[in-house]
Amino acid sequence: AQKVTQAQTEISVVEKEDVTLDCVYETRDTTYYLFWYKQPPSGELVFLIRRNSFDEQNEISGRYSWNFQKSTSSFNFTITASQVVDSAVYFCALSEAGGNMLTFGGGTRLMVKP
Amino acid sequence: DAGVIQSPRHEVTEMGQEVTLRCKPISGHNSLFWYRQTMMRGLELLIYFNNNVPIDDSGMPEDRFSAKMPNASFSTLKIQPSEPRDSAVYFCASRRGQHGNTIYFGEGSWLTVV
Repeated sequence: AQKVTQAQTEISVVEKEDVTLDCVYETRDTTYYLFWYKQPPSGELVFLIRRNSFDEQNEISGRYSWNFQKSTSSFNFTITASQVVDSAVYFCALSEAGGNMLTFGGGTRLMVKP
Repeated sequence: DAGVIQSPRHEVTEMGQEVTLRCKPISGHNSLFWYRQTMMRGLELLIYFNNNVPIDDSGMPEDRFSAKMPNASFSTLKIQPSEPRDSAVYFCASRRGQHGNTIYFGEGSWLTVV
């Protein structure tokens, strides 16, 4: 069975601080896919990144970066120089190659204060 | 490109009434998902369609819930009769191709049953 754990339920930072959101997953499959989604206060779920289990390269997109480590079953998300607009709930999710569903973690609420 | 379109965005209804939520997936996507988000249970999959056929409805809470996909561009989720505990955000999502590809979500339908 697949499981995603986001141990940080809520994080509060001051603007311009760097912040890392943790994600730990469990799966028996060797092929799987990891995702991050953002849910801003308006409520929609916005796709941020997809990573397959064979690609452990870290990825950077502007102020966002992701660190995938199979050895620790983690897929952490870092926001550099946070901004107030980054305030949202962030979800990590897992999809196994043999299944069809996306399993979500409980989410981390990030509050960036000016 | 148009994303996943859901209606209504907000619905307030009285207990016992029938509620119908509608979804238009992204054109060309052959998989469609209905998710429910609550504070207590987070994001949970209700039902999954592939090529308009329901594949997995194990997440549908009870017989009061039903979902249909009469064609590739339209799906409904119906609750009859509705109960206060059905109050939640209902997301429709779609995906092109096989598992592991990115699932894109609509903006959600915010349901309140009083």
